[in-house]
Amino acid sequence: QKEVEQDPGPLSVPEGAIVSLNCTYSNSAFQYFMWYRQYSRKGPELLMYTYSSGNKEDGRFTAQVDKSSKYISLFIRDSQPSDSATYLCAMSVAGGTSYGKLTFGQGTILTVHP
Amino acid sequence: EADIYQTPRYLVIGTGKKITLECSQTMGHDKMYWYQQDPGMELHLIHYSYGVNSTEKGDLSSESTVSRIRTEHFPLTLESARPSHTSQYLCASSALGRQETQYFGPGTRLLVL
Repeated sequence: QKEVEQDPGPLSVPEGAIVSLNCTYSNSAFQYFMWYRQYSRKGPELLMYTYSSGNKEDGRFTAQVDKSSKYISLFIRDSQPSDSATYLCAMSVAGGTSYGKLTFGQGTILTVHP
Repeated sequence: EADIYQTPRYLVIGTGKKITLECSQTMGHDKMYWYQQDPGMELHLIHYSYGVNSTEKGDLSSESTVSRIRTEHFPLTLESARPSHTSQYLCASSALGRQETQYFGPGTRLLVL
């Protein structure tokens, strides 16, 4: 079983829709939770990161972490065609020799059509 | 904005050739990483470095090698390329103490014939 599971989609939504992207994980030692956006033929770009549980908002993006359920989400409000990309969740422990070794989900391909 | 560069962006090469993928960053980050990404699959860490003269193997076994002679430069070398090495290779960097925040380069797409 993979440490991080992410539904690969693809997910297709109309412009203006609210998008929910999710990951589950099995390692309870994960403390940092990141969301990356990757456009076609580009490297991943860090969107948001959250430490431990809770919510974090940045413009149209909201990241949620539920450590009790080992479940994280990224919500995109008022989605735009420019949001079309692959979204990757990533996680890391907070210290020790494994700190900074990110474990990635498979990525969810999102298309927002006008 | 992250300043991390990878060259070449695309490389098509024959089996048995030696190749070096270049990665440079101008952010002064101590920690650097190499990931391998196949289409539709997750990124896998193959090498990382804490700083000059430090190199460590990642979670995914790789026949490649790396070196870190300068802080800003972290090249990856394949001594004898094989078709199984065909993949996308992504370089990333982060500041020590902020290792969860990694900045990625644009990647090198390698095709070995």
